[in-house]
Amino acid sequence: AQSVAQPEDQVNVAEGNPLTVKCTYSVSGNPYLFWYVQYPNRGLQFLLKYITGDNLVKGSYGFEAEFNKSQTSFHLKKPSALVSDSALYFCAVNNGNSGYALNFGKGTSLLVTP
Amino acid sequence: DTGVSQDPRHKITKRGQNVTFRCDPISEHNRLYWYRQTLGQGPEFLTYFQNEAQLEKSRLLSDRFSAERPKGSFSTLEIQRTEQGDSAMYLCASSPPRDRGYEQYFGPGTRLTVT
Repeated sequence: AQSVAQPEDQVNVAEGNPLTVKCTYSVSGNPYLFWYVQYPNRGLQFLLKYITGDNLVKGSYGFEAEFNKSQTSFHLKKPSALVSDSALYFCAVNNGNSGYALNFGKGTSLLVTP
Repeated sequence: DTGVSQDPRHKITKRGQNVTFRCDPISEHNRLYWYRQTLGQGPEFLTYFQNEAQLEKSRLLSDRFSAERPKGSFSTLEIQRTEQGDSAMYLCASSPPRDRGYEQYFGPGTRLTVT
């Protein structure tokens, strides 16, 4: 079975400060990990992925994420938050084997205040 | 716009009616997925097509649900005898062959309200 946990329903950060949105996963085999962002009344937009290679992956809009195998985590980070980053963020996983479906977390609402 | 498109964007129907949604994937994406998203939850997988073959179905896909992808192009998702519990956002996603990428690209969704 595959699952993702996003322990925080909401993260609040001031503009210009660094942000972290947490994600831990459970999967048999090698994890394929993804972050998506959802703006109101919009579909999910792909931000970044970890498949293999460097543990630090960089994605769209200045976001990055660090894969930590020992802690089974894939936290999303950005050095300096923007008000426009306020949105709903979803972490997702699959094991790259049978079954191509993504298993999503419940989402974390990020609020960046001016 | 060459992204994934879905039609309609919103659908209001009465309980017991049938509804059909359409998804047009990104051209040359041979893999297509349907998900359902309810308020406060992440998307939940419903079904997966590779070209025209439906290769995977979630247990969420009851016998009232059917999906097709004729000729491996657009896909339709039909819900028969709708129930209030079917009210949700239905999302379609597509992805290229595995050797060209793993991420899925999502459409804007169809919001279904069953009254």
